Amino acid sequence: EAQVTQNPRYLITVTGKKLTVTCSQNMNHEYMSWYRQDPGLGLRQIYYSMNVEVTDKGDVPEGYKVSRKEKRNFPLILESPSPNQTSLYFCASSWAGTSGSIEQYFGPGTRLTVT
Amino acid sequence: GDSVTQMEGPVTLSEEAFLTINCTYTATGYPSLFWYVQYPGEGLQLLLKATKADDKGSNKGFEATYRKETTSFHLEKGSVQVSDSAVYFCALARYSSASKIIFGSGTRLSIRP
Repeated sequence: EAQVTQNPRYLITVTGKKLTVTCSQNMNHEYMSWYRQDPGLGLRQIYYSMNVEVTDKGDVPEGYKVSRKEKRNFPLILESPSPNQTSLYFCASSWAGTSGSIEQYFGPGTRLTVT
Repeated sequence: GDSVTQMEGPVTLSEEAFLTINCTYTATGYPSLFWYVQYPGEGLQLLLKATKADDKGSNKGFEATYRKETTSFHLEKGSVQVSDSAVYFCALARYSSASKIIFGSGTRLSIRP
């Protein structure tokens, strides 16, 4: 079954304690992304990756890091979390077909609370 | 830059009512357009999409037509059900940057029995 998995699904942590949210996809997609979802703001892209070792900033990258050492994994790292990073996070993987079609698959989300 | 604007919610309707959720976009050229749905406590699921002008996407009784002249992609359903209660997101993406999808702010839909 094609899927994007994220772990953990729920996380409560304290300010300044480094954390990593893992993301893995089994579709051999080249593109992967991280989004955060906040009420009234929709989803905003944090970082994206177009292939192994190729990453770039999205719209709200401050306070986050990513890495893409393998095609299937794209972890999100918060080196020193702050309360304004409390949010719902989604990982996604995507594919662009030769016919112009774009497919994007989302993980189930990680709800992060930073106190 | 590219952007998506959709009607603010919440939208509350009675079962079997007609639904329209408005979505307009700002973009040059011909981006692909999408509607995603998020059921309570779940992630996002692709509901339907259209890749070029005048295309109609459809799924589960929902429809949306890509209107280049009005830069719109309104979501419609003829008869909603309680199970349609969810948050709906309009979005666009470009083939040249398939890893970046730009979302609207979402519209919460509640259906009364």
